Amino acid sequence: NAGVTQTPKFRILKIGQSMTLQCAQDMNHNYMYWYRQDPGMGLKLIYYSVGAGITDKGEVPNGYNVSRSTTEDFPLRLELAAPSQTSVYFCASSWGPDRAEQYFGPGTRLTVT
Amino acid sequence: KQEVTQIPAALSVPEGENLVLNCSFTDSAIYNLQWFRQDPGKGLTSLLLIQSSQREQTSGRLNASLDKSSGRSTLYIAASQPGDSATYLCAVVTSGTYKYIFGTGTRLKVLA
Repeated sequence: NAGVTQTPKFRILKIGQSMTLQCAQDMNHNYMYWYRQDPGMGLKLIYYSVGAGITDKGEVPNGYNVSRSTTEDFPLRLELAAPSQTSVYFCASSWGPDRAEQYFGPGTRLTVT
Repeated sequence: KQEVTQIPAALSVPEGENLVLNCSFTDSAIYNLQWFRQDPGKGLTSLLLIQSSQREQTSGRLNASLDKSSGRSTLYIAASQPGDSATYLCAVVTSGTYKYIFGTGTRLKVLA
């Protein structure tokens, strides 16, 4: 049982490049989340999903896209990377926010230069 | 709009002290409140989850309480150890939403 896994761990992008951050969970959780964490700040929700085929925007969705074709996977796509997207990105999953705790992946540290 | 605040932002204590971390939220209609620990450069580890119907939860030296009416939760750490040094974050889920709203955390340092 690997829990929540994220790849890559680190990445440096040039301005304007695109990339996909991968997230997978093996706990059969319906709910999955993407957050970003900037230095000294809490976590900001980018996108979330309540099940395969269903996604919705969080607090800071601009510049990002997501898809959820399976229960296990929830990739985050960055199009036209900008320096403001330099951050640490965390993926998380849970059975449901009304009854169960949230489990986090180890994070992806992204630098855009 | 739900807002979550954690005070203090940083705390430094000698080993062995009992300490209290605070979390406050503006909308008392919540499903639950969760406390996390984050070590430098790492992901978040869940410590305690308190459902809205509960008043407290305990795990080892940790005790978290919840007072929904006043919009407050406290995390009590007994007999602190250097290994407790980390950032502690709280998060709430407002009723009717699926979104966790996080505080900015308390950075704890326990001195040997």
